[in-house]
Amino acid sequence: GAGVSQSPRYKVAKRGQDVALRCDPISGHVSLFWYQQALGQGPEFLTYFQNEAQLDKSGLPSDRFFAERPEGSVSTLKIQRTQQEDSAVYLCASSLAGSGEITGYEQFFGPGTRLTVL
Amino acid sequence: AQKITQTQPGMFVQEKEAVTLDCTYDTSDQSYGLFWYKQPSSGEMIFLIYQGSYDEQNATEGRYSLNFQKARKSANLVISASQLGDSAMYFCAMREANAGNNRKLIWGLGTSLAVNP
Repeated sequence: GAGVSQSPRYKVAKRGQDVALRCDPISGHVSLFWYQQALGQGPEFLTYFQNEAQLDKSGLPSDRFFAERPEGSVSTLKIQRTQQEDSAVYLCASSLAGSGEITGYEQFFGPGTRLTVL
Repeated sequence: AQKITQTQPGMFVQEKEAVTLDCTYDTSDQSYGLFWYKQPSSGEMIFLIYQGSYDEQNATEGRYSLNFQKARKSANLVISASQLGDSAMYFCAMREANAGNNRKLIWGLGTSLAVNP
């Protein structure tokens, strides 16, 4: 079955480079989330989309981070001028429910993109 | 502020025995949901079980059950009949239902479980 997919799985960037991470959610899932997981830590919320609308971007650590989901399906997380502290696994998750619903709340995760900034 | 606490950085269990992974939470909301996820070394987060704050019965999913004690604000995961494939990181997470458009999960630091043959 088609789960959440992310690409690339691994990305090595030189400090100062821009990177783009892609997420393909499960077809029909309304909600899409991006999380950042540092080594040995739990995930930290970055941003949330309901369809194409970005309803919460409070977790984005700086204005170097930008996310979009223009057609309400595929999402891209872009990091400009990468820094070493950006090194982490970036997880994408989708869920069937929108914010106003009480079922379909489970978030299904992709395999993540491991970003290493040298 | 919402917070999830997992006090066991690492746990060991013998194959075929049961193990309990602890999770306590802090929230001022009356309506919330609690989740457990498994993260194997491959990195993918796998949903295991969900408990709603108003659910009267403890959630169960196969070998997984959630020991929900609302007054103590604890939501421990019980894995029965451990298998070698259960070796992984386990994360407890919470979502507040009345957070408006915010459906994010708040996560604990995780517990690393090793199942010994």
